[in-house]
Amino acid sequence: DVKVTQSSRYLVKRTGEKVFLECVQDMDHENMFWYRQDPGLGLRLIYFSYDVKMKEKGDIPEGYSVSREKKERFSLILESASTNQTSMYLCASSLGRGGQPQHFGDGTRLSIL
Amino acid sequence: AQSVTQLDSQVPVFEEAPVELRCNYSSSVSVYLFWYVQYPNQGLQLLLKYLSGSTLVKGINGFEAEFNKSQTSFHLRKPSVHISDTAEYFCAVSVLYNFNKFYFGSGTKLNVKP
Repeated sequence: DVKVTQSSRYLVKRTGEKVFLECVQDMDHENMFWYRQDPGLGLRLIYFSYDVKMKEKGDIPEGYSVSREKKERFSLILESASTNQTSMYLCASSLGRGGQPQHFGDGTRLSIL
Repeated sequence: AQSVTQLDSQVPVFEEAPVELRCNYSSSVSVYLFWYVQYPNQGLQLLLKYLSGSTLVKGINGFEAEFNKSQTSFHLRKPSVHISDTAEYFCAVSVLYNFNKFYFGSGTKLNVKP
């Protein structure tokens, strides 16, 4: 079974801090994704990566950056956290071909105070 | 561009009753279709997928969905629900040659009552 592991289930940070969310997958997947989930809005794509050191903006990239130095690891960075970034963050991975399911981690519930 | 609409934000239903969760999509190209389930404080788990072939697909936990190209729909059904089916359900589409990006609906919360 594919396993996608997010480093923290719950995280509390302060406004202005630089925040790192880590995601690791164990199935040699080419693609990795970061979403945020807010009530009534479903999942919104922040960034994705289709190869090491390659990244593409999703629908809501403002205020975020990402890093993919190794194939199995994809990091989401909040450069200067703000209260409107309080949310559930979900990481996913998939094979590169179309039609492949995305596999999700358990999520990180991030609170910015 | 692709979009997914889940018309019902919440669906209450009694245990052992049938349920249908609706999903409509728009796309100018052929799509792949997925249903995911999310239990409280967990990530999303794949229920079923439609890639091609038979328009009726069966998934885990007794769920099934029917792809209707003319209606651009992919509704999820279960003939008899259990309390344990209480969760949020997401419909998603992806297209070929787009890095396997998914477009998600806003979700439907299924509340199964005893």
